[in-house]
Amino acid sequence: DTGVSQDPRHKITKRGQNVTFRCDPISEHNRLYWYRQTLGQGPEFLTYFQNEAQLEKSRLLSDRFSAERPKGSFSTLEIQRTEQGDSAMYLCASSFPPRTSDNEQFFGPGTRLTVL
Amino acid sequence: AQSVAQPEDQVNVAEGNPLTVKCTYSVSGNPYLFWYVQYPNRGLQFLLKYITGDNLVKGSYGFEAEFNKSQTSFHLKKPSALVSDSALYFCAVRDMRNYGGSQGNLIFGKGTKLSVKP
Repeated sequence: DTGVSQDPRHKITKRGQNVTFRCDPISEHNRLYWYRQTLGQGPEFLTYFQNEAQLEKSRLLSDRFSAERPKGSFSTLEIQRTEQGDSAMYLCASSFPPRTSDNEQFFGPGTRLTVL
Repeated sequence: AQSVAQPEDQVNVAEGNPLTVKCTYSVSGNPYLFWYVQYPNRGLQFLLKYITGDNLVKGSYGFEAEFNKSQTSFHLKKPSALVSDSALYFCAVRDMRNYGGSQGNLIFGKGTKLSVKP
């Protein structure tokens, strides 16, 4: 399967613990996005990378959140000192740069985080 | 402010009937519009996009969407619904606030649940 993959698919943690999620994009894509989706809502943008550079972070990304893409391939999203409000589905997407014609984003299956 | 509105939380259709899922948008400049579908416990799957050109865009699984600039709408349509089309549908627009949209991140509507009954 050459699509976007995410690991783990589900994560249950206790409040205050740290969690880390991984995303492996489609190999030819140099853009990688993270979104968060809560129940009954559409995905909301968190941050994006072009190759290894993190170029934009939304205001949703508090100081407890950090994302990396060290070699321009896979990315990790870490949440420190988790709170119950962090419970959501975390989606990763990848694409070619938006100025190309073939620029739609392809999404992974998501990581569902539950903070108890 | 840039936004996408999907006015219907749920659309119910009988199998074989045509379906329409509505979407309106608000964005500065020319919009880049997308439709995605989400099945339970799965990520979003791309259906179709409008960047420029013909107002009627054809996509995957027999879906199409009509771009209407005067009404700022991008409704999703299918001539004959299937039970397997039952899912959550999201309309999205590219965020054009910074760098002329070169960020590429999407602004999504809240989604519309489509239910197709046999």
